[in-house]
Amino acid sequence: DAMVIQNPRYQVTQFGKPVTLSCSQTLNHNVMYWYQQKSSQAPKLLFHYYDKDFNNEADTPDNFQSRRPNTSFCFLDIRSPGLGDAAMYLCATSRVGALHEQYFGPGTRLTVT
Amino acid sequence: AQSVTQPDIHITVSEGASLELRCNYSYGATPYLFWYVQSPGQGLQLLLKYFSGDTLVQGIKGFEAEFKRSQSSFNLRKPSVHWSDAAEYFCAVGQEYGNKLVFGAGTILRVKS
Repeated sequence: DAMVIQNPRYQVTQFGKPVTLSCSQTLNHNVMYWYQQKSSQAPKLLFHYYDKDFNNEADTPDNFQSRRPNTSFCFLDIRSPGLGDAAMYLCATSRVGALHEQYFGPGTRLTVT
Repeated sequence: AQSVTQPDIHITVSEGASLELRCNYSYGATPYLFWYVQSPGQGLQLLLKYFSGDTLVQGIKGFEAEFKRSQSSFNLRKPSVHWSDAAEYFCAVGQEYGNKLVFGAGTILRVKS
C-alpha cells in the first residue's frame, strides 16, 4: 500500500543534542510537510517543500531545519533541542491537483531529557 | 484569513448513540473542507472531504458530514458510535492561496459503555 512512513516512531534526545527525524513516502506526491503537535493541540505547520522549493513558516524557529534530497524523502533536523521542543512531529504529503488533501504519517514522538 | 472553530473541546457519548461534532469556518469563497481523526499516539487519518457538489459527503468508518454554506458549518455525524471511535477529531479548511490546511483545535470524543 502507498503510504507515508516516519522513523523512528519514538525518539529520545538530550537537551542541546542535534536530532534528525525521517519521513518517506511511496505516494510520489510533490509536496511534503512537517508539523509539530503538542499535547491536546492542533498540528502546527513548520515548513513544507513543493518539489525542491522550501517554504518556511514565519514563526518557525531557526532551530528547525529541513532537507529533501529526493521526492521520496524529507528530514527534519532540530539543531539544539530544548525541553519545549518535546512533541509529536507529523509528516504529511499532498499532490499537485489536490494540494489541500494531505496524507499523514504516524508521527514521531520526540522526548527531550 | 481563514479560521476554523470547533466549539466542543470534549464530547462524551454512549456506545450506540448518535454523534455530531461541530465545525464552523470562516472563508470567502467555496472552501475545501476536511475531517481528520487521530487516535492516541497516531498520525491523522482523513475521514472525509468536501470540495464541491453534493453537500452531504460520506466518509470512512460510517461517518458523514454536511456542508451548510448559510451557516458556515461542516458538522461531522455518525448514527451509531462504537467504542473504537474514541479519538480526537480535527476539522480543517484548505487555505485560499497556497497548499496549506488550517486546523481547528480539535474535539476529543469519549465513548462510554
